[in-house]
Amino acid sequence: EIVMTQSPATLSVSPGERATLSCRASQSFSTNLAWYQQKPGQAPRLLIYATSTRATGIPARFSGSGSGTEFTLTISSLQSDDFAVYYCQQYHNWPLTFGGGTKVEIK
Amino acid sequence: EVQLLESGGGLVQPGGSLRLSCAASGFTFSSYAMTWVRRAPGKGLEWISTINRGGNTYYAGSVKGRFTISRDDSKNTLYLRMDSLRAEDTAVYYCAKDSPTLHWFEAWGQGTLITVSS
Repeated sequence: EIVMTQSPATLSVSPGERATLSCRASQSFSTNLAWYQQKPGQAPRLLIYATSTRATGIPARFSGSGSGTEFTLTISSLQSDDFAVYYCQQYHNWPLTFGGGTKVEIK
Repeated sequence: EVQLLESGGGLVQPGGSLRLSCAASGFTFSSYAMTWVRRAPGKGLEWISTINRGGNTYYAGSVKGRFTISRDDSKNTLYLRMDSLRAEDTAVYYCAKDSPTLHWFEAWGQGTLITVSS
């Protein structure tokens, strides 16, 4: 099983600042990684797939990068709507696995 | 517009059973793999099970042998039969539509809460 580890667990950021979220895999793979955003009481929303491809309707301030075991989600300038929990997910092999999440909170 | 609507949640005693349903609309249901994901209180997302277009099924180790995923393409509905429920199965259960090619999740339902408690 590929274990996905996200860091930090909580990230305190001021609106307008840049946020960098990390996701580390216990085994190397190419690009089979997705990112999701979840707000309280809401369903998760797909942000990024194939490591760096934004899903339909996702603003350009969200970007993904990485390969191997290190992946990154960057939010270039945080908006009030971006404060949420973010999860990475590998779909390289079974079982599919999520990281534990990074909560992005207002500083 | 893709819509996924879960139902069947509620309170169940340890050792009990429950069946969740997910009614899908807005896309050709039979053409997509479908997945169940859960989020336990205070925890993160956990993949539970996927069924592909051909009916092949995949399970997380935590539920294998206790949960059964199935689909009825004539009714555009996904199911999750849950047996031998444990307190640690308490969670919000989401159904999700897989991408056309690989197993990321491009649409999600709003979820249904399962509470396992005596």
